[in-house]
Amino acid sequence: KAGVTQTPRYLIKTRGQQVTLSCSPISGHRSVSWYQQTPGQGLQFLFEYFSETQRNKGNFPGRFSGRQFSNSRSEMNVSTLELGDSALYLCASSIRQGTYEQYFGPGTRLTVT
Amino acid sequence: AQTVTQSQPEMSVQEAETVTLSCTYDTSESDYYLFWYKQPPSRQMILVIRQEAYKQQNATENRFSVNFQKAAKSFSLKISDSQLGDAAMYFCAYLFNSGGSNYKLTFGKGTLLTVNP
Repeated sequence: KAGVTQTPRYLIKTRGQQVTLSCSPISGHRSVSWYQQTPGQGLQFLFEYFSETQRNKGNFPGRFSGRQFSNSRSEMNVSTLELGDSALYLCASSIRQGTYEQYFGPGTRLTVT
Repeated sequence: AQTVTQSQPEMSVQEAETVTLSCTYDTSESDYYLFWYKQPPSRQMILVIRQEAYKQQNATENRFSVNFQKAAKSFSLKISDSQLGDAAMYFCAYLFNSGGSNYKLTFGKGTLLTVNP
């Protein structure tokens, strides 16, 4: 079975722009969670999607949003980028919502200049 | 609020020896899950081991085992017969259901493990 894939792997944007990151979960997995990883704040939970609905959200501003499609693929969008949004964005999938078996993708490294 | 604390930012171990990574957590919940994840230089997060809070028996996965002390809210990871491939950042994480559909993983800051040949 193929693992979780994330595209693109690397991205460079300038302040004020917006960006969309994509995550394809493991086949059969219906839950997708997103995390932001930075040296200063560590790993922080962004949100979780299950059955095309956002089920849980972390403490991030409204500039961070996401969605999930009927095939369970998920996208994350960040609008009006700030320098502090530079981070590794990790996506994790699991078979069902809240299950403890979360499998992570390789991440998207976003650099905001 | 649930917090996870890893008090050792860095650890080192000689190849073939044993090392223990510490983790403590703060929660008022009685039912939850604890995990150790490994993140090598490739940045791919890999689940190492999990422990259900309702289970008294400590989880083991080959060379990896945990010492789960629920009353003390402690969850340490022991790596036996350390190998060069074990070198990575290790994250302790906590998962609980606060009601309805509210689940999320809370991570510690991580412990960077170096394995010396």
